[in-house]
Amino acid sequence: QIQLVQSGPELKKPGESVKISCKASGYTFTDYAMHWVKQAPGKGLKWMGWINTYTGKPTYADDFKGRFVFSLEASASTANLQISNLKNEDTATYFCARWVRDSYAHVDWGQGVMVTVSS
Amino acid sequence: DTVLTQSPALAVSPGERVTISCRASESVSTLMHWYQQKPGQQPKLLIYKASNLASGVPARFSGSGSGTDFTFTIDPVEADDIATYYCHQSWNSPLTFGSGTKLEIK
Repeated sequence: QIQLVQSGPELKKPGESVKISCKASGYTFTDYAMHWVKQAPGKGLKWMGWINTYTGKPTYADDFKGRFVFSLEASASTANLQISNLKNEDTATYFCARWVRDSYAHVDWGQGVMVTVSS
Repeated sequence: DTVLTQSPALAVSPGERVTISCRASESVSTLMHWYQQKPGQQPKLLIYKASNLASGVPARFSGSGSGTDFTFTIDPVEADDIATYYCHQSWNSPLTFGSGTKLEIK
């Protein structure tokens, strides 16, 4: 069965960096784009952008340009999200989600990674 | 950005029918989807492209609409349906989500 397994929770200080991973299994990794979604505590879902898992090309929503980097380890069927110069407002759960072209929707989701930024 | 407006909360009794609306600030064709999110869990796709039931989702869930006005229905509601429901459009970039409708059981 298709699974997206994300790395564990992170506690960081402002100004530090964090890299979270999303390991896919149960399908051909390079056949489906991977999207990233942010959810601040008690808030709704916000789309961050996506990465083409075949070419490695990332696309960022405007609010996530600059400090956010999507990358791949395609040989390991893994997508990564790196956030640099962390700010308090980056405290959130970050989800990866497999995009299925036929449905134009995020069909499968990782369990989420809680990133806490606190001094 | 395309703004999706949902009612914030609804309370229903088990066995009843509930309808959640989602209005888009501009046309999203039929690329509207509905997700269920329970506390501490990831979102789960229920309906894609306005009216298509996702794999393994009970037929109690349904969706309709096109353009700017969409509805999502649960009939009948079960106690396990306590969750927040989000509409989500993928027609316009950036992709956007509604603010969510929290469903409470009376």
